[in-house]
Amino acid sequence: EVQVLESGGGLVQPGGSLRLSCAASGFTFSSYAMNWVRQAPGKGLEWVSFISGSGGRPIYADSVKGRFTISRDNSKNTLYLEMNSLRAEDTAVYYCVKDLGVVTPYYFDYWGQGSLVTVSS
Amino acid sequence: SYVLTQPPSVSVAPGQTARITCGGYNIGSKSVHWYQQKPGQAPVVVVYDDSDRPSGIPERFSGSNSGNTATLTITRVEAGDEADYYCLVWHSLNDPFGGGTKLTVL
Repeated sequence: EVQVLESGGGLVQPGGSLRLSCAASGFTFSSYAMNWVRQAPGKGLEWVSFISGSGGRPIYADSVKGRFTISRDNSKNTLYLEMNSLRAEDTAVYYCVKDLGVVTPYYFDYWGQGSLVTVSS
Repeated sequence: SYVLTQPPSVSVAPGQTARITCGGYNIGSKSVHWYQQKPGQAPVVVVYDDSDRPSGIPERFSGSNSGNTATLTITRVEAGDEADYYCLVWHSLNDPFGGGTKLTVL
């Protein structure tokens, strides 16, 4: 059974940093691209970042470019999102999402349950 | 920039047919995927590649895509179909989601 489980969310002050992790199981992790998608309270879905199965070709939404870094450790079946210079508008539930693509984004077939990040003083 | 337009809300009586649209320039030339999100839950794909259904999704869910509009059609709507629905289109490497449509079952 495919599972993706996020961790690392919490309360952080504006300008602060946080790292999200996502532990994956039930599939060959290195064979699939992964994404982070977020959802602000009461708002729609916003794609944040993509990384290919090999860990190359990271892609970011304009709203987080230069502040967030996506990475993966295929030996640990784990995806990461390093978030720096956090702003109030980054407050959201962050979903770890498996992609059916390998090198380029395709569509998202499995989602985690999400990790809440709150940016507030 | 490319904009994906969904109606904010659609209402339908039980047993009727709901149609949720996703508009975009020449969207018919792109692959459209549809997600259902119920309150407090993660999204679930209900249609991918315009009209394919993942295993476990009822045949009542179908999709089409032509010209400037993609459509998610739900026949014989049930109370359990009440949810937010999002289209996903990789038109560029940014902002692939539509704004979402809240389906209300009257």
